[in-house]
Amino acid sequence: AQSVSQHNHHVILSEAASLELGCNYSYGGTVNLFWYVQYPGQHLQLLLKYFSGDPLVKGIKGFEAEFIKSKFSFNLRKPSVQWSDTAEYFCAVTPYSGGGADGLTFGKGTHLIIQP
Amino acid sequence: EAGVVQSPRYKIIEKKQPVAFWCNPISGHNTLYWYLQNLGQGPELLIRYENEEAVDDSQLPKDRFSAERLKGVDSTLKIQPAELGDSAVYLCASSPRGDFYNEQFFGPGTRLTVL
Repeated sequence: AQSVSQHNHHVILSEAASLELGCNYSYGGTVNLFWYVQYPGQHLQLLLKYFSGDPLVKGIKGFEAEFIKSKFSFNLRKPSVQWSDTAEYFCAVTPYSGGGADGLTFGKGTHLIIQP
Repeated sequence: EAGVVQSPRYKIIEKKQPVAFWCNPISGHNTLYWYLQNLGQGPELLIRYENEEAVDDSQLPKDRFSAERLKGVDSTLKIQPAELGDSAVYLCASSPRGDFYNEQFFGPGTRLTVL
């Protein structure tokens, strides 16, 4: 079975700082990779996804992530964070089983707090 | 486009009582998922439907949990009887079709508190 590890459970940054949230997964086959965000009081929303092709993917609100297959990693980055980026961030993976889209396997999440 | 709708948003019950959660997926989405999210954790899959068929219920605790998706649209997740450890957020998600390339859209969740 696949698993996802997010390295930091709590991150506190000041506005304009650069952000990198780590994500590693374990699975031997082809995967789809996702980053979801949950703003306070809101539901999970997709930030970005990787299916194939260019390993550097860009998402909404200036976020990007890089898939490094050799490291089984999919780290999330943003060059300059804003106070409104305060949220819970989840990395998730779906393996390709050939039988359709399995459910997502999520990491435990990273609680990001941006201080003004 | 309306998103995934869940009700109720909050539910407080006493242990050993039954409880049911309802989900209405995005129109036209054939695949529906139920997830469980404990405090401080990421969501965990309970069951996946392709239309009205439960194609993956391996993580559903079948002694007390049940689910149905009649007519392949709305879905209901039931717990009977509820235990203290069932306190969590129950999320519903839907996807246009059950293949490799489609993202899942999540509802707001139902927060269950078992006393």
